Amino acid sequence: SAVISQKPSRDICQRGTSLTIQCQVDSQVTMMFWYRQQPGQSLTLIATANQGSEATYESGFVIDKFPISRPNLTFSTLTVSNMSPEDSSIYLCSVRGLGNSPLHFGNGTRLTVT
Amino acid sequence: GENVEQHPSTLSVQEGDSAVIKCTYSDSASNYFPWYKQELGKRPQLIIDIRSNVGEKKDQRIAVTLNKTAKHFSLHITETQPEDSAVYFCAATDFSGSARQLTFGSGTQLTVLP
Repeated sequence: SAVISQKPSRDICQRGTSLTIQCQVDSQVTMMFWYRQQPGQSLTLIATANQGSEATYESGFVIDKFPISRPNLTFSTLTVSNMSPEDSSIYLCSVRGLGNSPLHFGNGTRLTVT
Repeated sequence: GENVEQHPSTLSVQEGDSAVIKCTYSDSASNYFPWYKQELGKRPQLIIDIRSNVGEKKDQRIAVTLNKTAKHFSLHITETQPEDSAVYFCAATDFSGSARQLTFGSGTQLTVLP
């Protein structure tokens, strides 16, 4: 399976600031997704990162709050904007390869907003 | 959209006993059902998956069964060991769909007691 490098692994940020999370894959993948996992909870899809075009957001998530870029097949970024303590969570990059290959996750970014 | 329900939310078993986790899904178009294991502080890792053209799949001590008519699938772990203790998530998706993102269950905290 692809090696997924996500950084930073963790950060503590002040409210009102923004943080950009990077996801780098070592091989070309067809689909990249961003998930959020709040403490003790399941995985919630934020958006699908589309190469060279705007991301597709799930209900409850908007581009102004979570802008996403995907300039090529192996790299994507998620920005958490104007953060509040409610944004404290783990953010996970996930990828799928060609065909019907399974979904794999990066190690996640543990974000704490104070 | 797809809705996945998972039971139980917590499960404690004695080492050596079997553990069963059950999930139901709502979208009859779903045809791919993976299971992920997430140890504390780590990323979710795929442990087994099943596609809708088979009813059962085994990998050593782990097996998954699928009942398409009833729209439910289950994870079976035999001869449990302390290292099986983790949170397990089921998921479902339509592999043939354009989006193909996974919808996750709420998770099961499995504790294997020595």
